[in-house]
Amino acid sequence: EAQVTQNPRYLITVTGKKLTVTCSQNMNHEYMSWYRQDPGLGLRQIYYSMNVEVTDKGDVPEGYKVSRKEKRNFPLILESPSPNQTSLYFCASSFAGLAYEQYFGPGTRLTVT
Amino acid sequence: AQSVSQHNHHVILSEAASLELGCNYSYGGTVNLFWYVQYPGQHLQLLLKYFSGDPLVKGIKGFEAEFIKSKFSFNLRKPSVQWSDTAEYFCAVNARYGGSQGNLIFGKGTKLSVKP
Repeated sequence: EAQVTQNPRYLITVTGKKLTVTCSQNMNHEYMSWYRQDPGLGLRQIYYSMNVEVTDKGDVPEGYKVSRKEKRNFPLILESPSPNQTSLYFCASSFAGLAYEQYFGPGTRLTVT
Repeated sequence: AQSVSQHNHHVILSEAASLELGCNYSYGGTVNLFWYVQYPGQHLQLLLKYFSGDPLVKGIKGFEAEFIKSKFSFNLRKPSVQWSDTAEYFCAVNARYGGSQGNLIFGKGTKLSVKP
């Protein structure tokens, strides 16, 4: 089944403790992206990747890192999480950029205390 | 910088009523435009998109949207809503050319509640 998977789905952590949210797709898609969703603010793009080893900042990259060493994986790294990074995070992928439909993962709900 | 405005935060309609959700964007160049839907407890799905050609685009589930370039608008419409259309709707835009082609800007969303 074609899908985008994220792990973990739920995470409660403390300020400053490094964490990684994994994202994997099995559709051989070139484009992958991370978004955060906050009430009243909609979705905001954090980082995106047009292909392996090619990443770029979205609108809210501060406090996040990404890497794209393999086509299928696009992990989101929070080196020192803070409470303002409490949010619902979505990973998405598409065949090749935004000209093609994005497929979204199920989301990761992160709480930083 | 690009931005997207959705005029209504929450729209409440009765079944069979007509729907129009407003979306305006600010960007001077050529854009691709999208409407996404998020049903309660689910992740986003693409409703429809506009890249070029006929400014009236049809999407899934009877939705359509009209691109009016002079007004920088891309409003979503449906002639007759159903209870199952209750969801949150997001307009989004990205620049078609240039170094930020992968950057997608979303509006803040409009919650639609349809009363049976």
